[in-house]
Amino acid sequence: DSGVTQTPKHLITATGQRVTLRCSPRSGDLSVYWYQQSLDQGLQFLIQYYNGEERAKGNILERFSAQQFPDLHSELNLSSLELGDSALYFCASSPLLPGGMRGYTFGSGTRLTVV
Amino acid sequence: GQNIDQPTEMTATEGAIVQINCTYQTSGFNGLFWYQQHAGEAPTFLSYNVLDGLEEKGRFSSFLSRSKGYSYLLLKELQMKDSASDLCAVRRLNNAGNMLTFGGGTRLMVKP
Repeated sequence: DSGVTQTPKHLITATGQRVTLRCSPRSGDLSVYWYQQSLDQGLQFLIQYYNGEERAKGNILERFSAQQFPDLHSELNLSSLELGDSALYFCASSPLLPGGMRGYTFGSGTRLTVV
Repeated sequence: GQNIDQPTEMTATEGAIVQINCTYQTSGFNGLFWYQQHAGEAPTFLSYNVLDGLEEKGRFSSFLSRSKGYSYLLLKELQMKDSASDLCAVRRLNNAGNMLTFGGGTRLMVKP
């Protein structure tokens, strides 16, 4: 157990629908990152939150949004789903400040299948 | 911006040694990480370099040359379970804090 919890582990839904993925960071970590990984592709950075505020944005579609709550858990909302949104979605957490060998700790991911 | 390049695929034989190279271009360099990811699973931490030189950890070693923007991951005494994607990631010091950018990963296939 990495300490980063993602739910659900699997999700199957139809095109056009909306889903919410949830992430609880490792205890003490204030930063949360969301990544998308399509089949046989690399990790694509979506968005970063720190202590409730958006800090950095990657290639996140306008149909996608995220937020981080006061208890530091984060949710990624995906709407108007398309077949191409089928992927593994990873959440990672870290301390905010750089330095040291502590990089990211990843959750086990949510596998989204859009049919 | 940042560019991180690593080979897409490599094949090696069980018991052998393999070296996976990573080159990068970035400003504000603040460390290089290697992660391992088995198919369908989360990436897990392998190694970290922030100063030039070699870091050894059991069967795995990682090397960094900051002046050349170059790192490699060396895996010795390969086992079948080493078949996975190895990801090079660069940490950059900016106002986003502890931010890593990942390369596309090198899919390592270990054959008997």
